[in-house]
Amino acid sequence: AQTVTQSQPEMSVQEAETVTLSCTYDTSESDYYLFWYKQPPSRQMILVIRQEAYKQQNATENRFSVNFQKAAKSFSLKISDSQLGDAAMYFCAFVQGAQKLVFGQGTRLTINP
Amino acid sequence: DTGVSQDPRHKITKRGQNVTFRCDPISEHNRLYWYRQTLGQGPEFLTYFQNEAQLEKSRLLSDRFSAERPKGSFSTLEIQRTEQGDSAMYLCASSPYPPRTGELFFGEGSRLTVL
Repeated sequence: AQTVTQSQPEMSVQEAETVTLSCTYDTSESDYYLFWYKQPPSRQMILVIRQEAYKQQNATENRFSVNFQKAAKSFSLKISDSQLGDAAMYFCAFVQGAQKLVFGQGTRLTINP
Repeated sequence: DTGVSQDPRHKITKRGQNVTFRCDPISEHNRLYWYRQTLGQGPEFLTYFQNEAQLEKSRLLSDRFSAERPKGSFSTLEIQRTEQGDSAMYLCASSPYPPRTGELFFGEGSRLTVL
């Protein structure tokens, strides 16, 4: 079974600084998707960034980028120029084929003004 | 609004009562998922449908839980004889099938508190 591990329950960063959230996963498959979802307090989960496993190039969405290391089964999220609105729970997630999404335990990110 | 909607957003009930949650997915999405999320944890898969067929159920889904999607559109999740351990956020998500990107689109959740 696929598993996703986020080893940092909480992280904090100063506004305008850069922070990296870690994620590792376990699978025997070679073709899959990885995601980072953001869940603000009392609000719905929204997609931050997506990575296809067959792509070697790391995905980037504005201030958000990933470091995808397929051999190491590592998928970290870097947030540059952190803003107060980035404060949320961040979940790493994995899906293979048309199966269900599997989530990590989450990292609570605090932005210090 | 064409997103996933869930109702009610909050439900407080006494132990032993039955509760039902409803989810309306994005209209063109034929897959619908239910997840449970406890405080400070990641969502845990409960079950999913493709159209009206329930394709998978988690071991987390005890016999007190039942989910339906009778016409392949909205879905209901019923919990019978609620227990305090059922207190959680129940998340619904939808996606197209065949999948285009693997992404799920989530509703805002239904928070259950069992007293």
